[in-house]
Amino acid sequence: AQTVTQSQPEMSVQEAETVTLSCTYDTSESDYYLFWYKQPPSRQMILVIRQEAYKQQNATENRFSVNFQKAAKSFSLKISDSQLGDAAMYFCAYRSGYNFNKFYFGSGTKLNVKP
Amino acid sequence: SAVISQKPSRDICQRGTSLTIQCQVDSQVTMMFWYRQQPGQSLTLIATANQGSEATYESGFVIDKFPISRPNLTFSTLTVSNMSPEDSSIYLCSARDSNQPQHFGDGTRLSIL
Repeated sequence: AQTVTQSQPEMSVQEAETVTLSCTYDTSESDYYLFWYKQPPSRQMILVIRQEAYKQQNATENRFSVNFQKAAKSFSLKISDSQLGDAAMYFCAYRSGYNFNKFYFGSGTKLNVKP
Repeated sequence: SAVISQKPSRDICQRGTSLTIQCQVDSQVTMMFWYRQQPGQSLTLIATANQGSEATYESGFVIDKFPISRPNLTFSTLTVSNMSPEDSSIYLCSARDSNQPQHFGDGTRLSIL
């Protein structure tokens, strides 16, 4: 079975600074997708960014970018110019390219943003 | 992306009672899912709700405890039956169409006394 590991339970960043959240995964599949979701205290899970495994180019969405290292099975999220509204739980997730119904979530990283 | 609405947003229930959570999507979607998120934990898939057929449950979850309905392509319900304090959790509805990313509702925070 696939596993997703987030080794940082909690992190803090100063407003306007850059922070990187780590995620590693374990799979024997060659076709898969990786996601970062944000869950603020309001509870709604919001898709931040996604990466297709077959794409070598790292995905970018405004201030959010990933460092996808396929051989190392690493998928870190970089948040640039951190804002107070970025404070939330961040979950890394894996989805098989062969069974879209199976999502595997990491345990989450709580990000605190200091003014 | 799909907008997903859940009702109720929170509830406090007595032990032994049942509660039905509703999930409405603003567009037709192929797949709907129900997750449980216990305090401070990650998400655990309860079941996949298939339109026109019985839900597919993950290991550790059974239909008698978590009956699910999926009457059409935009709506699903999850019932938490015969509740106990261990069922206190956030229950999240999720939906996906084809190979698109999954989107989530706001969740239902359930507390059992």
